[in-house]
Amino acid sequence: AQSVSQHNHHVILSEAASLELGCNYSYGGTVNLFWYVQYPGQHLQLLLKYFSGDPLVKGIKGFEAEFIKSKFSFNLRKPSVQWSDTAEYFCAVKSGGATNKLIFGTGTLLAVQP
Amino acid sequence: DAGVIQSPRHEVTEMGQEVTLRCKPISGHNSLFWYRQTMMRGLELLIYFNNNVPIDDSGMPEDRFSAKMPNASFSTLKIQPSEPRDSAVYFCASSFGSGRSNTEAFFGQGTRLTVV
Repeated sequence: AQSVSQHNHHVILSEAASLELGCNYSYGGTVNLFWYVQYPGQHLQLLLKYFSGDPLVKGIKGFEAEFIKSKFSFNLRKPSVQWSDTAEYFCAVKSGGATNKLIFGTGTLLAVQP
Repeated sequence: DAGVIQSPRHEVTEMGQEVTLRCKPISGHNSLFWYRQTMMRGLELLIYFNNNVPIDDSGMPEDRFSAKMPNASFSTLKIQPSEPRDSAVYFCASSFGSGRSNTEAFFGQGTRLTVV
């Protein structure tokens, strides 16, 4: 069965600090991987996605993630965070092919202090 | 496209009442997901449909919950009878998936349910 683990539940950073949020998944087959962001009071929005090809994926707002198949990981990074990045971040995995089951990690709440 | 549309945006109801949440997926998408978000449990997948057929409802908490997708453009999530512990934000999402082509899931604005 699929599962997704996010190790950091709550992260506090100062502006301009670098960010890395961990994500590991459990699934033996082909996967599609995603990072979503949820700003306070809003719905989930896609930050970036990996389907195939280059394992280093660049998304919106300066975020990137690297798919390391051997480690079953898809960590999210940003070299310099801003106060406006304060939000909750969710890693998600979808089993490949036509099954389409999409499950999420428990989320990481990021607070950026000005 | 207007995106995934959920209604109502907010619902306050008394314990024991029936609640129906509605979702209109993005046109052309063939997968639809219902999630529940709470502080304690995070984002839980309740049920998902492929081509209007329920594929996995293992996340539905109990028999009080039911979901239907009568056609490709409409789905409902019903709670009967509702209980205070059902209070949460319920999200609907849709995506397109096939053996060769996939999209990410697009989320609706959610329905904030409060059962008093």
